[in-house]
Amino acid sequence: GESVGLHLPTLSVQEGDNSIINCAYSNSASDYFIWYKQESGKGPQFIIDIRSNMDKRQGQRVTVLLNKTVKHLSLQIAATQPGDSAVYFCAENYNAGNNRKLIWGLGTSLAVNP
Amino acid sequence: DAGVIQSPRHEVTEMGQEVTLRCKPISGHDYLFWYRQTMMRGLELLIYFNNNVPIDDSGMPEDRFSAKMPNASFSTLKIQPSEPRDSAVYFCASAQAGGGKNIQYFGAGTRLSVL
Repeated sequence: GESVGLHLPTLSVQEGDNSIINCAYSNSASDYFIWYKQESGKGPQFIIDIRSNMDKRQGQRVTVLLNKTVKHLSLQIAATQPGDSAVYFCAENYNAGNNRKLIWGLGTSLAVNP
Repeated sequence: DAGVIQSPRHEVTEMGQEVTLRCKPISGHDYLFWYRQTMMRGLELLIYFNNNVPIDDSGMPEDRFSAKMPNASFSTLKIQPSEPRDSAVYFCASAQAGGGKNIQYFGAGTRLSVL
């Protein structure tokens, strides 16, 4: 089956810097993508999503970029804060309205240094 | 809304015992998901329900695992008999129908340790 090919790397940034977390997905038919944040001891928390008919979507301090040509997704966090320290997961979905199976990556650990 | 509520938060049991995990989804949500998370395998979907009906249980590891959703506000995941390799964090999530999206809202999880 398809899987989001994300091994668990660690990204370390200084407080106030911008962070970029990358994700490669494998199913070219996927039409919906979503980012989650998981803090230690908690469940994953929704951050932002994007449909395949868009290249970019912005939220509060976060931006998701989608490059369908190379099947790549990124999450940009502006002015990273200590509270942003967590594991970040990307997930892909095909036909999100009917097919509810998200395919999850293994996550990226973000460490913010004060 | 209180969000997705799971109980217990922690469960320690001995091999061979029956374990029951509980979940209350967000009111009004039509979908309910059970996941398992381990360091080795990451986040795995076990089963999901739509309007209390199981839709896809292909992720359920084996017959020792079973899940039920008797009504829109309650679901259980049961492991009988439990084995040490079942040790993991189990998450329940719920989602609304419609909008062509699939935003799943997660509970805080149940950390299961099988000795």
